[in-house]
Amino acid sequence: EDQVTQSPEALRLQEGESSSLNCSYTVSGLRGLFWYRQDPGKGPEFLFTLYSAGEEKEKERLKATLTKKESFLHITAPKPEDSATYLCAVSGGSNYKLTFGKGTLLTVNP
Amino acid sequence: DAGVIQSPRHEVTEMGQEVTLRCKPISGHNSLFWYRQTMMRGLELLIYFNNNVPIDDSGMPEDRFSAKMPNASFSTLKIQPSEPRDSAVYFCASSTGHHNQPQHFGDGTRLSIL
Repeated sequence: EDQVTQSPEALRLQEGESSSLNCSYTVSGLRGLFWYRQDPGKGPEFLFTLYSAGEEKEKERLKATLTKKESFLHITAPKPEDSATYLCAVSGGSNYKLTFGKGTLLTVNP
Repeated sequence: DAGVIQSPRHEVTEMGQEVTLRCKPISGHNSLFWYRQTMMRGLELLIYFNNNVPIDDSGMPEDRFSAKMPNASFSTLKIQPSEPRDSAVYFCASSTGHHNQPQHFGDGTRLSIL
């Protein structure tokens, strides 16, 4: 059974203070690792897909990286508007299911 | 472009009543997913459809839950009878159906069963 564990559960940063979120996973035959952002009262918003170890993707202040066991979401010089819950999910094997972690609640204080 | 559209956004009803949640997927997407999100359990997949056919309903908690997809642009999730423990946020998502393509989510229905 696919498993995703995210850490930390919550992270509080000062504006401009860079940090990283972790997503550890076990999956049989990784098809893709997905990062989402979820704001209160909204559905998860797609950010990135990573397909193979060594791959990196960037979007504004966010950079996602992937190894064979984990993914990191690096946040460089965050702003208060980056505050949200960040979710990691994996797809593996021969089906379309996504298995989600429980997320990291990021708060960026001005 | 229109995203996934869910209705209603909020539903409050009494225990024992029937609840119907609705979803319109993104046009051209042939896979549709229903999820439930709670603080304790996070996002849980309830059921997914491919080309309007239910492929896996192993996440449906019990017989009180049922889902249909009569055509490519509409799906419903029904709870009958509803119970307080069904209170959660229910999300619908759609994708192109390929293993490595992202799912796109609606903004959910916040369901409260009194």
